[in-house]
Amino acid sequence: AQSVSQHNHHVILSEAASLELGCNYSYGGTVNLFWYVQYPGQHLQLLLKYFSGDPLVKGIKGFEAEFIKSKFSFNLRKPSVQWSDTAEYFCAVNPPFNAGGTSYGKLTFGQGTILTVHP
Amino acid sequence: EAGVAQSPRYKIIEKRQSVAFWCNPISGHATLYWYQQILGQGPKLLIQFQNNGVVDDSQLPKDRFSAERLKGVDSTLKIQPAKLEDSAVYLCASSSWRGNSPLHFGNGTRLTVT
Repeated sequence: AQSVSQHNHHVILSEAASLELGCNYSYGGTVNLFWYVQYPGQHLQLLLKYFSGDPLVKGIKGFEAEFIKSKFSFNLRKPSVQWSDTAEYFCAVNPPFNAGGTSYGKLTFGQGTILTVHP
Repeated sequence: EAGVAQSPRYKIIEKRQSVAFWCNPISGHATLYWYQQILGQGPKLLIQFQNNGVVDDSQLPKDRFSAERLKGVDSTLKIQPAKLEDSAVYLCASSSWRGNSPLHFGNGTRLTVT
């Protein structure tokens, strides 16, 4: 069974600080990787995703993530955070969708990291 | 495009009562998911529909939870009877039939069981 582990439960930063949120997954096969974000009072939104190709992926709002296959990691980074980045961040993985087979892309989430950015 | 709609937003019930949640996915999305998010944890998949068929309900507590998706569009999730540990946010999400499409989430229903 696949599982996802996020290293930090709560991260507190000042504006302009750099951010790195850790994510490791456990799955014995090809995976798709995602970061979702939930701003206060809002629904979960896709921040970025990795399916294949360049392991450094760029998402919205200046976020990026690097897939390191040998480490089963998909860490989220941002060079300079803003107060508006205060939110909860979730890493998620699923096996590739395969409608002709047995995979329907079940998405497994990590436990989430709350990011608080002080102005 | 309109997002995933869920109702109600909040629900408070006593244990052993029953409750139902409703979800209307994005138009044209073939895949619909119900997730349970307990405070301090990430969302956990309860059930996944492809059109109106169930493709994964391995983590659905079937002795008390049930779900259906009528005509491959709207879906309802029911809990009967509710337990204290069912207090959580219930999230509905949908995605298109195209492989590897991202999930679009609704705002969720926050259930409190007292």
